[in-house]
Amino acid sequence: GAGVSQSPSNKVTEKGKDVELRCDPISGHTALYWYRQSLGQGLEFLIYFQGNSAPDKSGLPSDRFSAERTGGSVSTLTIQRTQQEDSAVYLCASSLVLAGHNEQFFGPGTRLTVL
Amino acid sequence: GNSVTQMEGPVTLSEEAFLTINCTYTATGYPSLFWYVQYPGEGLQLLLKATKADDKGSNKGFEATYRKETTSFHLEKGSVQVSDSAVYFCALLNTNAGKSTFGDGTTLTVKP
Repeated sequence: GAGVSQSPSNKVTEKGKDVELRCDPISGHTALYWYRQSLGQGLEFLIYFQGNSAPDKSGLPSDRFSAERTGGSVSTLTIQRTQQEDSAVYLCASSLVLAGHNEQFFGPGTRLTVL
Repeated sequence: GNSVTQMEGPVTLSEEAFLTINCTYTATGYPSLFWYVQYPGEGLQLLLKATKADDKGSNKGFEATYRKETTSFHLEKGSVQVSDSAVYFCALLNTNAGKSTFGDGTTLTVKP
């Protein structure tokens, strides 16, 4: 596809369960970002991948959150032992790393509801 | 570290009114600046951008000028429409740092 895709679009889970969220970036984009957007709030940065460099994990809120990016393409965000406060829309974005062409393209998001 | 401060909302205007949403930033180096828009029920999309001082980004009647002297990137539109109702996010990307920084978003409602 032409854009960033995310799956699932919606996920309802029970407190304490683990969830995996997937992001397929635009082909050729070396940078990939994960954000969290709570209801009525702004974007909270979670993690950033760029090429083969070590990811910037400075935004991950706790050690229950982790992410990986395999082969420089698809990324998976994993939340272990989910809590109700994890309920939010999780957004993925990708971009080139090229001066003047580094705007982010966002996926539609995964709406996570923890019961 | 980098930061973006944008005008708090919500902002409510009548159709054809003039819009300004203020955005100021703090960053090292020479960041690129962006405005993203999120229409109801949709994902974020780029509205406009500017990559160096004095650049003006424009799209769909919206404009913003990269002012390094005042560290600002205010969004303006001369005549808003109901269809402009959305949440607007100011953001910066410091290429050296990699990750971008977003403002908290400003909700705009335009009434007919």
